[in-house]
Amino acid sequence: QVQLVQSGAEVKKPGASVKVSCKASRYTFTGYYMHWVRQAPGQGLEWMGWINPHSGGTKYAQKFQGRVTMTGDTSINTAYMELSRLRSDDTAVYYCASGDLLDKFDPWGQGTLVTVSS
Amino acid sequence: QSVLTQPPSASGTPGQRVTISCSGSKSNIGSNYVYWYQQLPGTAPKLLIYRNDQRPSGVPDRFSGSKSGTSASLAISGLRSGDEADYYCAACDDILSGLWVFGGGTKLTVL
Repeated sequence: QVQLVQSGAEVKKPGASVKVSCKASRYTFTGYYMHWVRQAPGQGLEWMGWINPHSGGTKYAQKFQGRVTMTGDTSINTAYMELSRLRSDDTAVYYCASGDLLDKFDPWGQGTLVTVSS
Repeated sequence: QSVLTQPPSASGTPGQRVTISCSGSKSNIGSNYVYWYQQLPGTAPKLLIYRNDQRPSGVPDRFSGSKSGTSASLAISGLRSGDEADYYCAACDDILSGLWVFGGGTKLTVL
């Protein structure tokens, strides 16, 4: 069964950066896009962007332009999402989700809690 | 403020049928497929409906989706306590660049 396993929880200070990983198994990593979605405490889902692991191409939501970088390492079937200049309102669970560019997000990773606090 | 509009809450008693609406615009729901995700408490979202009305294998036929114009709906029949969850609609908002938007989510309570 296709599976996405994310890295563990992180605690960061305001102004720092965080890098979350998402390791894919049991499917062709380069055959699908990897989307990143976040969820602040008690809030809804917010799409952040995608990376095409095959080409390295990316697209980010305007809100995160300049602060987010999505990368992939095809040798270890792992995607990364790095968010810089962290603020307290970046405290959220960050999810990776595999899918086609214009189709369903399935499956999802288990989520990584990032807490930004001084 | 989410691009897609959902009611914040919905409720029903066991066995009832409930519907959750999702309203968008021409650029998203009006032009592209709608997807629904179920998020049980403390877990990651899970695909529930794709391409407006298709169910992944393993999703009971109690769950159904529909779309008309710039709106979509999720219907759950034969409501069960295990259906208590948050439900999110999603759609692509720009097919040229693959920009996606979500609804704000609807918390379903089974009374």
